[in-house]
Amino acid sequence: KAGVTQTPRYLIKTRGQQVTLSCSPISGHRSVSWYQQTPGQGLQFLFEYFSETQRNKGNFPGRFSGRQFSNSRSEMNVSTLELGDSALYLCASSPLWTSGSYEQYFGPGTRLTVT
Amino acid sequence: QQPVQSPQAVILREGEDAVINCSSSKALYSVHWYRQKHGEAPVFLMILLKGGEQKGHDKISASFNEKKQQSSLYLTASQLSYSGTYFCGTETEGGGADGLTFGKGTHLIIQP
Repeated sequence: KAGVTQTPRYLIKTRGQQVTLSCSPISGHRSVSWYQQTPGQGLQFLFEYFSETQRNKGNFPGRFSGRQFSNSRSEMNVSTLELGDSALYLCASSPLWTSGSYEQYFGPGTRLTVT
Repeated sequence: QQPVQSPQAVILREGEDAVINCSSSKALYSVHWYRQKHGEAPVFLMILLKGGEQKGHDKISASFNEKKQQSSLYLTASQLSYSGTYFCGTETEGGGADGLTFGKGTHLIIQP
């Protein structure tokens, strides 16, 4: 079974621009979660989508948004990029919603650099 | 509320044991453990649920103390392949809408 894939793997953007990242979950998985990873803050939860609906959301500004398509693929968008948005963005898929019993499978991440 | 992991870093010789702790100030429903090697994605190790049994496979096991809202990960007779950063992720009781909250990680270095 193919793992979680994320595109692009690396991205360099300028402050003020917007960016869209893509995630394809493991076949059959219906939940996709997004995380931001930085050396200082570690792994921080952004949001989770299940069956095209945002199930929960972390403590991030409205500039961060996402969506999920009927085939479970997900995209996240960051508008008006700031230098502090530079990070590794990880997506993780799960068979059902991420609550208690279900493990997550992480993709390799997208390394975003904002200059 | 981000769980607190301790220690922040530990260096061991191959064959030695390690314990990594994860503590929360809130009542927990579940604790997840992941390991991440440098430049790679986090990999799932195990989940512990409130009221569940201590989990383990091979030489890695974990416990969940519901009274203390604390989980511990035990690595026995460590191998070089155990090196990496270990993260605990917690879900609070009634906090399903908050997703998983991860600690800042424990860096484990195993030397030959």
